[in-house]
Amino acid sequence: QLVESGGDLVQPGGALRLSCAVSGFTFSSFGMNWVRQAPGKGLEWVSIISDSGGAAFYADSVKGRFTISRDNSKNTLYLQMNNLRAEDTAIYYCAKQAPGTGWFFDYWGQGALVTVSS
Amino acid sequence: DIQMSQSPSTLSASVGDRVTITCRASQSIHDWLAWYQQRPGKAPKLLIYKASSLESGVPLRFSGSGSGTEFTLTISSLQPDDFATYYCQQYNSYSTFGQGTKVEIK
Repeated sequence: QLVESGGDLVQPGGALRLSCAVSGFTFSSFGMNWVRQAPGKGLEWVSIISDSGGAAFYADSVKGRFTISRDNSKNTLYLQMNNLRAEDTAIYYCAKQAPGTGWFFDYWGQGALVTVSS
Repeated sequence: DIQMSQSPSTLSASVGDRVTITCRASQSIHDWLAWYQQRPGKAPKLLIYKASSLESGVPLRFSGSGSGTEFTLTISSLQPDDFATYYCQQYNSYSTFGQGTKVEIK
């Protein structure tokens, strides 16, 4: 089970931290991701972090503004979002990387809504 | 960056119909492609990975094929639960989703 929290209304230029609490699998054994979906739009991959937290990658649209992290002792994934823009408005899903090779996702949370507006 | 393009954007079909959705990549992604189903208000669900491997628990009426730059998702006999939006995703280089194909009731 993956449960996101922290979604909120925030002003442009503001900051927000999302959390994703995980249960039901060995969190520390899998890479984790954030994927977002703007209202009425398609899916956009945002970021991935390795199982140990030692490596992270970002979409160009958020690079330098968002930071993904994890606490394996708390089974929790995070997304720190700074300098937020209107175009960051979306439902943010955390998603577990499937076993084996490849950045595809076998379990997803229910999503957290982030609204960036003045 | 690798771009993904799906067609059609919307598809109208009836229960029992055979449905095919196409996904094209802007460059070769080998067979590093997944398909997801998303129902309204719900999170996406993994259907197919590595272009043609069926995720555990997914009905056998779903199948995937293709390699390189052109891929298809086929639903052999459309069921009421299958009316949803379908997305392809490449994971050859980072990750990119297609824009989605909405399967509507005819």
